[in-house]
Amino acid sequence: GEDVEQSLFLSVREGDSSVINCTYTDSSSTYLYWYKQEPGAGLQLLTYIFSNMDMKQDQRLTVLLNKKDKHLSLRIADTQTGDSAIYFCAEKVWGKLQFGAGTQVVVTP
Amino acid sequence: DTGVSQNPRHKITKRGQNVTFRCDPISEHNRLYWYRQTLGQGPEFLTYFQNEAQLEKSRLLSDRFSAERPKGSFSTLEIQRTEQGDSAMYLCASSLEVSPTPYTFGSGTRLTVV
Repeated sequence: GEDVEQSLFLSVREGDSSVINCTYTDSSSTYLYWYKQEPGAGLQLLTYIFSNMDMKQDQRLTVLLNKKDKHLSLRIADTQTGDSAIYFCAEKVWGKLQFGAGTQVVVTP
Repeated sequence: DTGVSQNPRHKITKRGQNVTFRCDPISEHNRLYWYRQTLGQGPEFLTYFQNEAQLEKSRLLSDRFSAERPKGSFSTLEIQRTEQGDSAMYLCASSLEVSPTPYTFGSGTRLTVV
């Protein structure tokens, strides 16, 4: 099974903020990533954070990292219908990405 | 460069047949990865190459699976004697060797074994 854990589903109203949470287990992970997958498509990189940082902001996206608790979150501000997708967090361990099972985000009007 | 390209996009095959998928990575990327994704799951690592050398294979990669990257450019993934459990999306990704360069994924090949 995966070592990276995510909640499976999130419903959010258009215009609200979304927060997707992730817990990873390997303290040696150097980078942590967020990917987005739309139906029938591959994975699109959204953002990543180096393990010695605790926050990174990129336009509507904010990543928070709590290394002590091995907790990663992705906040999407002003969520739009185009943000409906599955979001995966991933940790980089020994050069390979290990993914969580994904969080399905549904944006309602 | 148009990114990572995978062919075919979809493949339906009968159980017991052999299938081969192709991945063309971003040209300057020396690392190439294969992942498998089943419904409701995240991608699972299968194998990766640095240039033409296959550096690691997952336990998921049974003897029926073989991957090659003969000239360090494109890669092929072959599944022999397909089984229904092989039905999945097969994803290819490429990256530079140096961190933090993240993976760039292709759109995947969806395999259905009937």
